[in-house]
This record gives sequence, C-alpha cells and structure tokens, in this order.
Amino acid sequence: EDKVVQSPLSLVVHEGDTVTLNCSYEVTNFRSLLWYKQEKKAPTFLFMLTSSGIEKKSGRLSSILDKKELFSILNITATQTGDSAVYLCAVRNSGGSNYKLTFGKGTLLTVNP
Amino acid sequence: DAGVIQSPRHEVTEMGQEVTLRCKPISGHNSLFWYRQTMMRGLELLIYFNNNVPIDDSGMPEDRFSAKMPNASFSTLKIQPSEPRDSAVYFCASSWGQGDGYTFGSGTRLTVV
Repeated sequence: EDKVVQSPLSLVVHEGDTVTLNCSYEVTNFRSLLWYKQEKKAPTFLFMLTSSGIEKKSGRLSSILDKKELFSILNITATQTGDSAVYLCAVRNSGGSNYKLTFGKGTLLTVNP
Repeated sequence: DAGVIQSPRHEVTEMGQEVTLRCKPISGHNSLFWYRQTMMRGLELLIYFNNNVPIDDSGMPEDRFSAKMPNASFSTLKIQPSEPRDSAVYFCASSWGQGDGYTFGSGTRLTVV
C-alpha cells in the first residue's frame, strides 16, 4: 500500500524566515508527487513533480523531487503570515489505482508577524 | 467557473440520524472523488466515480455509507445511521480523466453528537 510521511508535523516561524517541508514516500510504480496548500477550507494545488532533480517554482515557493531517495521538499522563502496553512503531500502510482492520491497527514506551518 | 460546490458547509446531527452530503463537480470533469479528512487519519479516499460509474468504493468504511452519482453534475454521499465516529470533514473533488491535480470543494464539516 502506498504511504506518505511528512515532517515536521508542525512548524512555527517568523515572517521573513525560510522553511523547508519534507515528504517521504513509498509507492508501487511511482507516477507523480503533488503538493497542496490547505488553509481553512479546500486543499489547493501547488505543484506536481514527476522527474527527479527538476525544480518547480512559483514565486517564493519551490519544490524538488528525489526519486532515488524517495522524497520531496517544499521550500518557502521570505515567509509571510499568509503562508500559514497545512501543506499536504500526495503521491499517485501508475498501476491499477492510478486515479487515487495517497496523502500524508500534512505539516502545519504557522508564520508569526 | 464556480468550482466544485458542496453542501451543506456544516452539518450537526444526532447519532442515528441520516445524513446526506451533496456535490456538484466542475462542468466537463468526468472523475469525481469523495474524501474524508480527520486529524488521526488525514485525507482518505472513500469512493471514486468515472463517467458517473462507481469504480472504487473500497474506502467506504461500512455499509452505513453509500454514494450515488445519478448524472454528471451531481453526487451524494449518505450515512445512515450516523455515529459520532463519522465526525470529520468530507471533501468532494473532481478532475478531467484521472487528472493529476484534482479540484477540491470547500468540504462539509460533519459533527455527529
């Protein structure tokens, strides 16, 4: 069964700090890894990663995948209070259940002013 | 595009009562997912529909749970009878095909007392 472990479970930082969130996974026949941001409501899509070593970037957020070591990191630079949220990592396999996303439990990020 | 629309936003009910959660997917999306989110278990897939047909209901916890998708624009998740351990946030999500990034609805927060 596919498995995703995120660390840390929670993190408190000050505005302007840089944070790194971790996601390790076990999946049969890896297809993709996705990052979501969840504020008070629905998870919203951030990135999808399929290839090792290729950084995806959007503003102050970036993410990279290591398929050999089976992990991904999400970096946020110059954090702002609006970055406070739960960040979810999910994986999808390329087998018979390739429609399914298996989620980690998330990292709760709190950015204090 | 109004996104994935779920109703109600909040539901408080007494143990033993029937609960019906509703979802309208994004027009044109042919895959629909029901997920449940709890602190203990995170986000878990309950059921997946493709072209209105249930493909995988292995995540439905018990016979008390049932889901239908009578047409491409509407789905329901029913719990009968409800129990306190069903308290959670229930998300509906949709995608085109098995699209890599689902779009989630805002969720229904269910409390069974």
